[in-house]
Amino acid sequence: DVKVTQSSRYLVKRTGEKVFLECVQDMDHENMFWYRQDPGLGLRLIYFSYDVKMKEKGDIPEGYSVSREKKERFSLILESASTNQTSMYLCASVRTAGEYNEQFFGPGTRLTVL
Amino acid sequence: AQSVAQPEDQVNVAEGNPLTVKCTYSVSGNPYLFWYVQYPNRGLQFLLKYITGDNLVKGSYGFEAEFNKSQTSFHLKKPSALVSDSALYFCAVRAPGGSARQLTFGSGTQLTVLP
Repeated sequence: DVKVTQSSRYLVKRTGEKVFLECVQDMDHENMFWYRQDPGLGLRLIYFSYDVKMKEKGDIPEGYSVSREKKERFSLILESASTNQTSMYLCASVRTAGEYNEQFFGPGTRLTVL
Repeated sequence: AQSVAQPEDQVNVAEGNPLTVKCTYSVSGNPYLFWYVQYPNRGLQFLLKYITGDNLVKGSYGFEAEFNKSQTSFHLKKPSALVSDSALYFCAVRAPGGSARQLTFGSGTQLTVLP
């Protein structure tokens, strides 16, 4: 059974802290994604990685960075957390760049920045 | 640029009645279309997809969706709703030839099935 796991389900941080969100997939997928989900806005792509050490900016990369040192792990970093980064963060993966392949999602991390 | 519209933020239906969750899209070329469901405090789960062929696509949990090219729609349907179908539903579209990052999601529709 395929699985995408995220390091925390709930996280509370203070403004200015550096925050790490971890995502691990056990399906040997090449492509991994970080989205944020906000009510009424759906899912918005923050960053995408198509291979180890390879990344592309998504639609809303400002204030975020990512790291992919191993194929199975994709980390999202908030260098200096701000209150407008309070959101649900979802990680996803897909095997190849095949356009018709569905993405597999982790359970999400609900981040609150105080 | 491609886009997806889910015109209803909220859909309420009585248990046992048919349900429809609407989705329209805008994309260049023939679209790849997806439906995902999100239960409370969970990630998204894949329901079904349209790639090519038969316009009526069947998916998980008794759901189906009909691709209508002339109306650029991909509405999600189920003949008889269950209370357990209550969840947040997302439609997504991708144009052929793009990279894996080019999957666009709608804003979501909250489905509530009333007992």
